[in-house]
Amino acid sequence: GENVEQHPSTLSVQEGDSAVIKCTYSDSASNYFPWYKQELGKGPQLIIDIRSNVGEKKDQRIAVTLNKTAKHFSLHITETQPEDSAVYFCAMGNAGNMLTFGGGTRLMVKP
Amino acid sequence: KAGVTQTPRYLIKTRGQQVTLSCSPISGHRSVSWYQQTPGQGLQFLFEYFSETQRNKGNFPGRFSGRQFSNSRSEMNVSTLELGDSALYLCASSLFSEQETQYFGPGTRLLVL
Repeated sequence: GENVEQHPSTLSVQEGDSAVIKCTYSDSASNYFPWYKQELGKGPQLIIDIRSNVGEKKDQRIAVTLNKTAKHFSLHITETQPEDSAVYFCAMGNAGNMLTFGGGTRLMVKP
Repeated sequence: KAGVTQTPRYLIKTRGQQVTLSCSPISGHRSVSWYQQTPGQGLQFLFEYFSETQRNKGNFPGRFSGRQFSNSRSEMNVSTLELGDSALYLCASSLFSEQETQYFGPGTRLLVL
């Protein structure tokens, strides 16, 4: 079945550094790849998404790149801040609105 | 616009009981999806409803069911609760039902004793 692998599972960076999270997927038919941020006690919050007709998308300090040939996509956060500390999930869109999620990355930004 | 709301936020049940969780989507959104989140299995898709019809279903036993009302509000029900059903149940809404941007609620944390 469809599968999304996410790496690393934990990531610790110094404030101001960049953070990169990578995901690979198995379903070549998927065209939608969102990223969510989940803080303790809250539901996942959409931070950026990309569709397969676009290779890269940026929103201020956040960017996502997509390589459909290699079946992988990545999240890049620049100039990290302590409030970026959270668990980040990549996901892949399947039939309808079904999302298959990666296992999550716990990002810790040290002041 | 108000976000996705879920009630109740916390729930404690015992094995064998049943439970009903409620989700109110963002105003104007017609699709509601449900997910189960556990430390061991992560985020897993349960089912999606659009215009009162179940569009897709994940790999969960028949004890898990849901429905959607004409105002797009949705409920999910779990019967004959098991300890392993303890999880955070998340609801997400979107305008339509084809790889649309989805917005999640805060979740209902269910503890089965």
